[in-house]
Amino acid sequence: DVKVTQSSRYLVKRTGEKVFLECVQDMDHENMFWYRQDPGLGLRLIYFSYDVKMKEKGDIPEGYSVSREKKERFSLILESASTNQTSMYLCASSKRDEQYFGPGTRLTVT
Amino acid sequence: QQPVQSPQAVILREGEDAVINCSSSKALYSVHWYRQKHGEAPVFLMILLKGGEQKGHDKISASFNEKKQQSSLYLTASQLSYSGTYFCGTEYPDSSYKLIFGSGTRLLVRP
Repeated sequence: DVKVTQSSRYLVKRTGEKVFLECVQDMDHENMFWYRQDPGLGLRLIYFSYDVKMKEKGDIPEGYSVSREKKERFSLILESASTNQTSMYLCASSKRDEQYFGPGTRLTVT
Repeated sequence: QQPVQSPQAVILREGEDAVINCSSSKALYSVHWYRQKHGEAPVFLMILLKGGEQKGHDKISASFNEKKQQSSLYLTASQLSYSGTYFCGTEYPDSSYKLIFGSGTRLLVRP
């Protein structure tokens, strides 16, 4: 059974903190994605990685960075969390077409 | 640019039909459809490739009109389990597997 796991379901951080969101997939997929989901805005792509150490900016990369040191792991980093980064964060992976999503991390920045 | 989905929300009685549309202002390579149930992760339904093909998944089917840069998702004889939010994800010729998702259509099927 294919699986994408995310390190936390819920996370509460303070403004200015550095935040790490981890995503792991067990399907040997080349592509991995980070989205944020906000009501009425759908899923917006933050960053995308198509191979180890390779990354591309998505539509809303400002305030975020990513790391992919191993094929199965893709990390999203908020260098200095701000309240407008309060959101649901979804990780996904794919080989070609179908993206498999993780359960999401609901991040609250206070 | 984000594709436009319509309607934003729809309420059906069990057994009724619905159509969800997804329109792009740019030429598309493919359209992907996902369903997200409340509190769960989005799940892939189907992909439509350039060429106007129509696909089906149970009683859910979709079409892709290349001229109009539009895809439509058809839900026939809706079941309670169809409730959720439907997202289209558009892929463009130069986008390297990246999808741009619409804002979603909330579907509620009532008994």
